[in-house]
Amino acid sequence: EADIYQTPRYLVIGTGKKITLECSQTMGHDKMYWYQQDPGMELHLIHYSYGVNSTEKGDLSSESTVSRIRTEHFPLTLESARPSHTSQYLCASSVQGDSGNTIYFGEGSWLTVV
Amino acid sequence: QKEVEQDPGPLSVPEGAIVSLNCTYSNSAFQYFMWYRQYSRKGPELLMYTYSSGNKEDGRFTAQVDKSSKYISLFIRDSQPSDSATYLCAMRRTGFQKLVFGTGTRLLVSP
Repeated sequence: EADIYQTPRYLVIGTGKKITLECSQTMGHDKMYWYQQDPGMELHLIHYSYGVNSTEKGDLSSESTVSRIRTEHFPLTLESARPSHTSQYLCASSVQGDSGNTIYFGEGSWLTVV
Repeated sequence: QKEVEQDPGPLSVPEGAIVSLNCTYSNSAFQYFMWYRQYSRKGPELLMYTYSSGNKEDGRFTAQVDKSSKYISLFIRDSQPSDSATYLCAMRRTGFQKLVFGTGTRLLVSP
């Protein structure tokens, strides 16, 4: 069972507000990811990190930013939220083991921008 | 064309049925194949993991990979209402950490 936590789980916020979605994992994984998922659509990678002070943009362009100051913490920030940012945001972390790179997901943060 | 194609469903079956879920892909470099289960308003949970071609069984679940056809399958035997969820296939290339996901197939198992 994965120990990866996301807060808030649900957030409704007005246009123009700054928000930070928190993600923490207690497994000591070096690699962490943020995915975006709209209802009925596939997951899209928007950010990833292979370790402290390492962040990269994913396959889907996003106006959000991330930071990785500590191994266990990978927050995502939107400086000025817009209705187009309404989506589910999934944080994940991974470890290289005998079965390859196993990715574990948090329960997701549902963001609605009004 | 998407790299990974998956029928979104929904797929409705009665309890006890054998369920077959499938994905096709276009990139022959994919070597690692995964199936995730996602309940409504939850994050995906890893169900099965296979490397290259072949079968892998875990309880009621069997994953198959046919690399020659670029086709993967997940079979669920004796399906239960608790199996009702969206099933996502995912895959990646050797040396690449990033996964490519299908859109997911929604499965409904009725009692």
